[in-house]
Amino acid sequence: AQSVSQHNHHVILSEAASLELGCNYSYGGTVNLFWYVQYPGQHLQLLLKYFSGDPLVKGIKGFEAEFIKSKFSFNLRKPSVQWSDTAEYFCAVKPSTNAGKSTFGDGTTLTVKP
Amino acid sequence: NAGVMQNPRHLVRRRGQEARLRCSPMKGHSHVYWYRQLPEEGLKFMVYLQKENIIDESGMPKERFSAEFPKEGPSILRIQQVVRGDSAAYFCASSPASSGANVLTFGAGSRLTVL
Repeated sequence: AQSVSQHNHHVILSEAASLELGCNYSYGGTVNLFWYVQYPGQHLQLLLKYFSGDPLVKGIKGFEAEFIKSKFSFNLRKPSVQWSDTAEYFCAVKPSTNAGKSTFGDGTTLTVKP
Repeated sequence: NAGVMQNPRHLVRRRGQEARLRCSPMKGHSHVYWYRQLPEEGLKFMVYLQKENIIDESGMPKERFSAEFPKEGPSILRIQQVVRGDSAAYFCASSPASSGANVLTFGAGSRLTVL
């Protein structure tokens, strides 16, 4: 069974600071990786995803994530955060071979101070 | 496209009552997933269903919880004889009927409070 670990439960940054949220997963086979975001009062929505190919994937709103297979990691980055990035961020992993379940990390709450 | 519709958004029950949470998947989606988020915790997988079939219920508590996704109508998560520990946000997600890397589309969640 797969598992996901997000290292930071709560991150507080000032606007324009750089962001990196850690995500490590455990699974013996090939995986698809996702970051989802939940803005205050809104649904969970997809931020970006990795299926195959270029391990550096770009998502909405200037976010990117890098899949490092040897480290079982899929860290989320943004060079310069904005107050509107305040949200909860979830990393998720799913085996790539079937349409089974996605397993989520516990989430990281990001607070950006204006 | 209405997206994933969950109702009720908020449900209050007393201990021992039953809770029924409904989820209508996004149009064209035939896979439904239920997740639970307890206070201060992440999303925990409960059950994965396709029409008239439970595919994976490894995250469902052994007692009091059941789920269905009938041929017609929404998916229903049923909790019998609720206890205070069942208080949580229950999220439904759906994905298309193709294998592989399916992105989940989430509903707004149903928040259950057990008094």
